[in-house]
Amino acid sequence: GAVVSQHPSRVICKSGTSVKIECRSLDFQATTMFWYRQFPKQSLMLMATSNEGSKATYEQGVEKDKFLINHASLTLSTLTVTSAHPEDSSFYICSARVGQGNQPQHFGDGTRLSIL
Amino acid sequence: GESVGLHLPTLSVQEGDNSIINCAYSNSASDYFIWYKQESGKGPQFIIDIRSNMDKRQGQRVTVLLNKTVKHLSLQIAATQPGDSAVYFCAEYDYKLSFGAGTTVTVRA
Repeated sequence: GAVVSQHPSRVICKSGTSVKIECRSLDFQATTMFWYRQFPKQSLMLMATSNEGSKATYEQGVEKDKFLINHASLTLSTLTVTSAHPEDSSFYICSARVGQGNQPQHFGDGTRLSIL
Repeated sequence: GESVGLHLPTLSVQEGDNSIINCAYSNSASDYFIWYKQESGKGPQFIIDIRSNMDKRQGQRVTVLLNKTVKHLSLQIAATQPGDSAVYFCAEYDYKLSFGAGTTVTVRA
């Protein structure tokens, strides 16, 4: 149980393109999902918390107009990287939590974004 | 600021031996801790968790120890197998989940 699916797994696109990444909880409902970014050989850094039916909460230093988050249903959150540039190239990973508070977060398999 | 960190970035283990991965945390308000395993090109996979009212928890071939006095967390893997080769992260939860730097475990045949 607690499977999180992320799509696409890999994206290669030109600079200036906007890219949408989907995160789905397959067998449970998630009122809260999370978006992380991971650079090579580094840890995961939380970008934002996605709340179903309300605005996302962004971490300090993360541009909300650059990284648009939509959590339209209890099983789907999307992250759109707008006008992507080479410095946005990274591994983006989503997670979802069953219930609230201190419960395990279950992660998708990430999206490798490469901007040329 | 307060953060979660790991003592060693790499660990090389002989197949069949036991592995111990250590983690130091500094946020005394954290009340929940999780160990994750991340294989190359994949997302983190839940291994085991422990709450602050416990000091030890066992799973299948894994044991997590929590020492709140010195703010130390460890993951023990029994009879390490080649499939255990991965990066291991500890994570602490206060109002959000914060990850440590990660330890790369390599299992020697």
